[in-house]
Amino acid sequence: NAGVTQTPKFRILKIGQSMTLQCTQDMNHNYMYWYRQDPGMGLKLIYYSVGAGITDKGEVPNGYNVSRSTTEDFPLRLELAAPSQTSVYFCASSLSGNSPLHFGNGTRLTVT
Amino acid sequence: TQLLEQSPQFLSIQEGENLTVYCNSSSVFSSLQWYRQEPGEGPVLLVTVVTGGEVKKLKRLTFQFGDARKDSSLHITAAQPGDTGLYLCAIGGYSTLTFGKGTMLLVSP
Repeated sequence: NAGVTQTPKFRILKIGQSMTLQCTQDMNHNYMYWYRQDPGMGLKLIYYSVGAGITDKGEVPNGYNVSRSTTEDFPLRLELAAPSQTSVYFCASSLSGNSPLHFGNGTRLTVT
Repeated sequence: TQLLEQSPQFLSIQEGENLTVYCNSSSVFSSLQWYRQEPGEGPVLLVTVVTGGEVKKLKRLTFQFGDARKDSSLHITAAQPGDTGLYLCAIGGYSTLTFGKGTMLLVSP
């Protein structure tokens, strides 16, 4: 039972570099989400998707981009990394908007 | 924008003690979910409560949904070190969930 798989687990970037955080799920869920988690700040929604080909901004989308070409995959792109993007990033999926979320184990990103 | 407040922010107790953590909203919500997040992992769903006044039990954990549907509580009886983690509540919107900031629980042997 793979569930939601995120890669890489850890990454260090220099300011201005770019990278893609990968997320894939094998539960055939339509809804997928990207959250960031900073100490003491809970989970903040970056982007979400309600199905293949559809994406929408969350609470903190600036500096990020996403695409959803398949039901399974929902990559998150950082184009010009900034220190403010140092965080732990979680991908999640669900059957519908109010359904429980299934989370990956996160990607810890440091931008220096 | 619906706000979710969780209290306390941090709780450190000894094994065997009882505790209660709270989740309060600025407005009425239709359902609420509780998650637990262990260090280095993603949050995992514990329970969903949907009916005002509802009480659900999960072994030593008791979840209550307020009658007015604006608050919820989680009570843990005889806490164990395995209960250590971040407890998050979340309420649903049309397509997304809004999370509280969480209560960090540390249970020492």
